[in-house]
Amino acid sequence: KQEVTQIPAALSVPEGENLVLNCSFTDSAIYNLQWFRQDPGKGLTSLLLIQSSQREQTSGRLNASLDKSSGRSTLYIAASQPGDSATYLCAVIYTGSARQLTFGSGTQLTVLP
Amino acid sequence: NAGVTQTPKFRILKIGQSMTLQCTQDMNHNYMYWYRQDPGMGLKLIYYSVGAGITDKGEVPNGYNVSRSTTEDFPLRLELAAPSQTSVYFCASSYGQGANTEAFFGQGTRLTVV
Repeated sequence: KQEVTQIPAALSVPEGENLVLNCSFTDSAIYNLQWFRQDPGKGLTSLLLIQSSQREQTSGRLNASLDKSSGRSTLYIAASQPGDSATYLCAVIYTGSARQLTFGSGTQLTVLP
Repeated sequence: NAGVTQTPKFRILKIGQSMTLQCTQDMNHNYMYWYRQDPGMGLKLIYYSVGAGITDKGEVPNGYNVSRSTTEDFPLRLELAAPSQTSVYFCASSYGQGANTEAFFGQGTRLTVV
């Protein structure tokens, strides 16, 4: 079964710290990988999309990397702020699928002032 | 700038009742999806559509039905609601073809079955 795993489930850091969120997937035959942010009681906001031919994508203080051979992606957040507190979800589109996303369970991030 | 719009935002149903969750997108996306999210869990795919008139089952389709008569709309029907269907439902859409598979999500419908 194609699965996506995110560890840890929760993370608490002081403001200003750089941090890394991890995502692993069981099948290297992926098409794309997408990182989302979800605030409590809200929908999902797309952060970064990494195509299978790419190694990383950057947006502002966010940098996502992709290593298909090891089945891993990381989301790096620089100089974290309390406003970054949210749940971060990783989702994979596997090759051969109808472009549907397979989600991890997310990492709940709390940035302490 | 509407993107993906879901209605209603909240709903309480009694066991055995039926309802339709509405979803519409204005981005001319071919692909549309329904997911459910249970507390502390990731999203699971219920149904998806690759274009008007074409739908298919996802991972957890039992107890649900969908239709796709237009590109814009993808309603999800719950028949005979059960407590196990208490969840948050998200509709999403994407262009789906080529390398641009970025998915956009609605704000969700929080459903409680009592």
